[in-house]
Amino acid sequence: GESVGLHLPTLSVQEGDNSIINCAYSNSASDYFIWYKQESGKGPQFIIDIRSNMDKRQGQRVTVLLNKTVKHLSLQIAATQPGDSAVYFCAESWMDSSYKLIFGSGTRLLVRP
Amino acid sequence: GAVVSQHPSWVICKSGTSVKIECRSLDFQATTMFWYRQFPKQSLMLMATSNEGSKATYEQGVEKDKFLINHASLTLSTLTVTSAHPEDSSFYICSARRTGGLETQYFGPGTRLLVL
Repeated sequence: GESVGLHLPTLSVQEGDNSIINCAYSNSASDYFIWYKQESGKGPQFIIDIRSNMDKRQGQRVTVLLNKTVKHLSLQIAATQPGDSAVYFCAESWMDSSYKLIFGSGTRLLVRP
Repeated sequence: GAVVSQHPSWVICKSGTSVKIECRSLDFQATTMFWYRQFPKQSLMLMATSNEGSKATYEQGVEKDKFLINHASLTLSTLTVTSAHPEDSSFYICSARRTGGLETQYFGPGTRLLVL
């Protein structure tokens, strides 16, 4: 079902370190997953996506891992930079719902200089 | 490509008035658009799915008479918040799916609504 967060968990990392942001999704029928980055006062920005027939996908400095057994998704950011500071949301969708997106509760990433 | 705009970017209105928010796909056609609402420090909540030329599909708990959606063309969907009240103050975000596309949604920059 829909996820509503009462507060945002925060991950604080040192600039240059790797970041790992986790997400638990709810629907075992979900077959498409996306990570978004949202800066304050702006709309979500697409980072990377993965389909359920894959367990890993890599982009530029980012990697998404999918574990369908435990319904878990993670986003790894390599060599985290100050510009990576934002709120990160995972979203799940599935074909029978016409691929409408259900967003997770989000994680705030703070990068310390 | 795949740019989505929203207008206005922010609006302040008096309680009881109606406010219209536009969502446009600038460089592609979008048969389907989506409207989300986001309260401070919370996630995006899907309000409704807007389909060109047909009635919108509302999520459970969203009042269709309160949030009127019109998707009259392949590049424009509008959300009208009728008789707005302070509790309607929120960040409203739209997204658009390219006609013929399957999953990918492109998001607009959002509209901040403050009802006094």
